[in-house]
Amino acid sequence: GQQVMQIPQYQHVQEGEDFTTYCNSSTTLSNIQWYKQRPGGHPVFLIQLVKSGEVKKQKRLTFQFGEAKKNSSLHITATQTTDVGTYFCAGSNAGGTSYGKLTFGQGTILTVHP
Amino acid sequence: NAGVTQTPKFQVLKTGQSMTLQCAQDMNHEYMSWYRQDPGMGLRLIHYSVGAGITDQGEVPNGYNVSRSTTEDFPLRLLSAAPSQTSVYFCASGKREGYYEQYFGPGTRLTVT
Repeated sequence: GQQVMQIPQYQHVQEGEDFTTYCNSSTTLSNIQWYKQRPGGHPVFLIQLVKSGEVKKQKRLTFQFGEAKKNSSLHITATQTTDVGTYFCAGSNAGGTSYGKLTFGQGTILTVHP
Repeated sequence: NAGVTQTPKFQVLKTGQSMTLQCAQDMNHEYMSWYRQDPGMGLRLIHYSVGAGITDQGEVPNGYNVSRSTTEDFPLRLLSAAPSQTSVYFCASGKREGYYEQYFGPGTRLTVT
């Protein structure tokens, strides 16, 4: 079945440093989504990428979808303590009743030291 | 809108007991799903539904049953609880127009002793 691998598992940064997490799928995806989960909370949707090579920005966050639609990355510039949490990617294949069925990566736990 | 609601928030079961985790959404979303979250394992899909009357298995369906008789509700039944089912369970919903961007409930923390 489809597998989505995410690295690194943990990342510790000083406030102001940059952070990147990477996501790789074993199969071509129709779209990829990114979620953030604060400690003790539930995952919250950040963004979705659909097109090959797509790049989207949300303030200090930059999301990329690979040309082959099998990998993606999330980059945070100048981290802040509010960025603390676990970042998940989740991929989906289109078609049939599996449309929308998401496979999540293991997540990257980000800690930010002030 | 309340969004996605889950009950109970916490539950302790003894091995062999059965119970139902409740999930409801008031956003008229076609898609609903159940995940379990264990340390280092991310979110693993248990069962999902693309509409009332339609359900399918996810990655880890064994020991769990679901049904979808209405658009709003998607209960998860544990048939005979085992310690391996100790986890945090999240219900989520999504709509097709948004490529099923998922809205998660607050979660149920289940402990099986």
